[in-house]
Amino acid sequence: RKEVEQDPGPFNVPEGATVAFNCTYSNSASQSFFWYRQDCRKEPKLLMSVYSSGNEDGRFTAQLNRASQYISLLIRDSKLSDSATYLCVVKTGGTSYGKLTFGQGTILTVHP
Amino acid sequence: DAGVTQSPTHLIKTRGQQVTLRCSPKSGHDTVSWYQQALGQGPQFIFQYYEEEERQRGNFPDRFSGHQFPNYSSELNVNALLLGDSALYLCASSLPGSGERGGKQFFGPGTRLTVL
Repeated sequence: RKEVEQDPGPFNVPEGATVAFNCTYSNSASQSFFWYRQDCRKEPKLLMSVYSSGNEDGRFTAQLNRASQYISLLIRDSKLSDSATYLCVVKTGGTSYGKLTFGQGTILTVHP
Repeated sequence: DAGVTQSPTHLIKTRGQQVTLRCSPKSGHDTVSWYQQALGQGPQFIFQYYEEEERQRGNFPDRFSGHQFPNYSSELNVNALLLGDSALYLCASSLPGSGERGGKQFFGPGTRLTVL
């Protein structure tokens, strides 16, 4: 079983749509959780952290369920510029250092 | 405020050769991690350096080695290159951080390595 598993996608949605990505992780000792966005042939960029209390950043809402080891990302009112690969990321390791474990990514295409 | 920088941008090598990739972390960051990203896959953790020592290592052979310098910059060395080493190599920098709100890592643009 992969440490971090995501919806395989791809997702093709019209502008203005709401789209949700799901992710599960296997290591219950995981400490921190993130969504990164990666454009074609570019580096991953931090989109947002995911907290147990849930958090929102504009059109983006992230949720974490530690009991189910489940992470989600909701994008409302999709824009063309949201087209990218979305990576679910989990941090494990010591208190001072830690490695990031990435899901394989879900490709989102927003069309006019 | 400069972000994470990497050099070179692209590199072409042949099987059996050795390669060195370089990374300068974001200003104020002291921890450097290296990742390998094959086409169509998420990045895979290679190792992490803090205080000039390798602190964690992923499932990569000893052909992959690294170094961190006193100014926190880092190198990734790969010996005896294989065709399968062709990938995007990403460097990420961070500050130590624990708990749910800690340990955000910021990535450089990567070095695209092609092994022929």
